[in-house]
Amino acid sequence: QSALTQPASVSGSPGQSITISCTGSSSDVGGYNYVSWYQQHPGNVPKLMIYDVSNRPSGVPDRFSGSKSGNTASLTISGLQTEDEADYYCSSYTSSDTLVFGGGTKLTVL
Amino acid sequence: QVQLVQSGSELKKPGASVKVSCKASGYTFTNYALNWVRQAPGQGLEWMGWIHTKTGNPTYAQGFTGRFVFSLDTSVSTAYLQISSLKAEDTAVYFCARGQTTNYYASGYWGQGTLVTVSS
Repeated sequence: QSALTQPASVSGSPGQSITISCTGSSSDVGGYNYVSWYQQHPGNVPKLMIYDVSNRPSGVPDRFSGSKSGNTASLTISGLQTEDEADYYCSSYTSSDTLVFGGGTKLTVL
Repeated sequence: QVQLVQSGSELKKPGASVKVSCKASGYTFTNYALNWVRQAPGQGLEWMGWIHTKTGNPTYAQGFTGRFVFSLDTSVSTAYLQISSLKAEDTAVYFCARGQTTNYYASGYWGQGTLVTVSS
């Protein structure tokens, strides 16, 4: 199972909105509504930000939202804050009854 | 509150074995799946597989068959990852992570990670 494709880096200024894409295939992202997004600050444990494409766990700010169109899922962060600077990973359930992660995206808040 | 506490860092020689533990508390252990995730130094997250905590049935991702074994001791709410015939490329942080819901598709709670270093 190949890793999902994410941009290596994205950047934005405080207050702006950014979107991170996660592209797979009909065997994973496109075939199931089981895409998750994780935030990981350097040296820290990953934190679940979005699950089942667009659901936010309790405690995650509503500035974070998820969506999907075809084989591409997206994480949008609105009202960007400096503490949002981190690595972001998507993952998806697959037709092989497994999970696959994306390669990760480094978000820089300028 | 939900907690997953992993065993401490390990330094092993090539060819040796290691067993990482993941002790759960704050919820009914057998009600939620457990994933194992690897992160090599400076690299991304890699899903290793998951274990059904009611049945003990493990599922391994491609690349994690043969030398990797997931197991449970439900009497102490603990999951284990054993890696045999260690290689330098096994050097990584290994995370256990509990399903956010009753399936394993999203991990809402993570252990703190266990660094396994393989070096002669």
